Amino acid sequence: AQTVTQSQPEMSVQEAETVTLSCTYDTSESDYYLFWYKQPPSRQMILVIRQEAYKQQNATENRFSVNFQKAAKSFSLKISDSQLGDAAMYFCAYRDQGGSEKLVFGKGTKLTVNP
Amino acid sequence: NAGVMQNPRHLVRRRGQEARLRCSPMKGHSHVYWYRQLPEEGLKFMVYLQKENIIDESGMPKERFSAEFPKEGPSILRIQQVVRGDSAAYFCASSPGLAGQFFGPGTRLTVL
Repeated sequence: AQTVTQSQPEMSVQEAETVTLSCTYDTSESDYYLFWYKQPPSRQMILVIRQEAYKQQNATENRFSVNFQKAAKSFSLKISDSQLGDAAMYFCAYRDQGGSEKLVFGKGTKLTVNP
Repeated sequence: NAGVMQNPRHLVRRRGQEARLRCSPMKGHSHVYWYRQLPEEGLKFMVYLQKENIIDESGMPKERFSAEFPKEGPSILRIQQVVRGDSAAYFCASSPGLAGQFFGPGTRLTVL
């Protein structure tokens, strides 16, 4: 079964600085999707960024970018120019390309942004 | 285009009662997923449904839990004879069949 591991329960960053959140996963599949979701105190799950495994180019969404290392099964999230509104729980998630479309989530990293 | 709707947002039940959680997917989305989040944990998959069909229920407890997504109306997650361990946030997500699921605001169930 696929597993997702987030080794940093908590991280903090100064406003306007850059922070990287780590995620590793385990799968025997070659085609899959990876996601980062943000969960602010409102508890709403918000899709931040998505990566298809067959794409070598790292996904980017404004201040959010990923470092996808397929061979190492690593999928880290970089947040540039951190803002107070970035404070939240961040969850890494995996999904097979075929079969069931269920998402497998890591346990999350709590990000604090200091003014 | 309204997002995924869930109701109620908060639900309090006493042990032994039934809990019904509702989810209306985004317009045009025919795939619905239910996840459960225990305190300090990530989300755990429960069930994946398409209209009138359960596609994958590998994450559903064998007893007391059921889900449906009828031809008309919202998807329902039903928990019979609730116990304290059922207290959690239950999230519904929908997708149009491609990668990327959009989540509702969740229902927080508290069992007294």
